[in-house]
Amino acid sequence: NAGVTQTPKFQVLKTGQSMTLQCAQDMNHNSMYWYRQDPGMGLRLIYYSASEGTTDKGEVPNGYNVSRLNKREFSLRLESAAPSQTSVYFCASSEVRLAGGPNEQFFGPGTRLTVL
Amino acid sequence: AQSVTQPDIHITVSEGASLELRCNYSYGATPYLFWYVQSPGQGLQLLLKYFSGDTLVQGIKGFEAEFKRSQSSFNLRKPSVHWSDAAEYFCAVGFLSNFGNEKLTFGTGTRLTIIP
Repeated sequence: NAGVTQTPKFQVLKTGQSMTLQCAQDMNHNSMYWYRQDPGMGLRLIYYSASEGTTDKGEVPNGYNVSRLNKREFSLRLESAAPSQTSVYFCASSEVRLAGGPNEQFFGPGTRLTVL
Repeated sequence: AQSVTQPDIHITVSEGASLELRCNYSYGATPYLFWYVQSPGQGLQLLLKYFSGDTLVQGIKGFEAEFKRSQSSFNLRKPSVHWSDAAEYFCAVGFLSNFGNEKLTFGTGTRLTIIP
């Protein structure tokens, strides 16, 4: 099993360009997440999808859109990139919480995005 | 709203020495607490989690953490560190979204350096 995969690994954009970050998981998880990681700020949730067909905003959704294409795939789109969106982006997935307690989130390797 | 504080941005420890990384949380209900580790250039990996029961939790790689409700703390410990433990460590508090999936709020991280 590959776990959570992300493409691309690195990307450089000019201000105003658009792009889509791809994420896929092969663990049959219902929930998927997009985070951004900035120095000194930890990980902040951008958007999440509790299950196929649902998405909701996280802490920092402005400037982003998401699509839950199917159960496996969850993409993040930057319509008009800005330098403030320079960051490392992580996708994660998890199963819904069961009676036994919280489930861990499994993370992809990240996409390093630079916006000039 | 929930929050997590990791007061130490950077810690340096000699190989073989003991380690304690601090984490304090703020959450209105019973917390679900996690420690994740991020090696350079990698995604996050779960070390351990707490949600109920014994307040001393064992994790992978020889790590343990102790939940202290009276101090709102969930400190991570290891009796003897190895050079391979050099990484960034994140504490997180989990809570249930309206959709029934796990959402995490992360601390800002503690970078651990190991010296020979």
